[in-house]
Amino acid sequence: KNQVEQSPQSLIILEGKNCTLQCNYTVSPFSNLRWYKQDTGRGPVSLTIMTFSENTKSNGRYTATLDADTKQSSLHITASQLSDSASYICVVTTDYGGSQGNLIFGKGTKLSVKP
Amino acid sequence: NAGVTQTPKFQVLKTGQSMTLQCAQDMNHEYMSWYRQDPGMGLRLIHYSVGAGITDQGEVPNGYNVSRSTTEDFPLRLLSAAPSQTSVYFCASSYSDWGQGNTEAFFGQGTRLTVV
Repeated sequence: KNQVEQSPQSLIILEGKNCTLQCNYTVSPFSNLRWYKQDTGRGPVSLTIMTFSENTKSNGRYTATLDADTKQSSLHITASQLSDSASYICVVTTDYGGSQGNLIFGKGTKLSVKP
Repeated sequence: NAGVTQTPKFQVLKTGQSMTLQCAQDMNHEYMSWYRQDPGMGLRLIHYSVGAGITDQGEVPNGYNVSRSTTEDFPLRLLSAAPSQTSVYFCASSYSDWGQGNTEAFFGQGTRLTVV
């Protein structure tokens, strides 16, 4: 069964510290993997998209890595800020073909950054 | 450029009532989708459309109808609201299938629906 598992479920860190969020998937065939940030009461906003051939992609203080062999991805946040408090969602696409039904969403990691 | 606009932001319905959640995008995207987000669960696909006049069911379509008469609009209709439909609903759009390369997908702000 295609699944996306994220860990930890929630995380509290102090402002200025770094953190790493994990995403493990059992999705096949694999097309791409996305990380989204969702602020409370808002819609998800894309952070990174990685295809099979990419193993690192950065967006400011956010760096995503992908190991397609072990089917693992991580999102590293550097020098956290209070505005990083949000849920982070990992989404894996199995393949493309116009159905839009091949998206597997993780349940998200809720990050709280404290002053 | 407004992106993806959803209305209303909040709605309370009584069981059995019907309503339409509106979604509009101004990016000329062909692909539009509706998702629901429930506590402790990932987003689940309700219905999607790959272009005007074309719609299809997602993972949880029961109790919902959609139509796509224009590229810009993709309304979601609740036929007879039930408490199980209490959720946050998100509309998303993209210029092509999410699975294609680095296709960017954009979400609306969401509609928080409570059915009592």
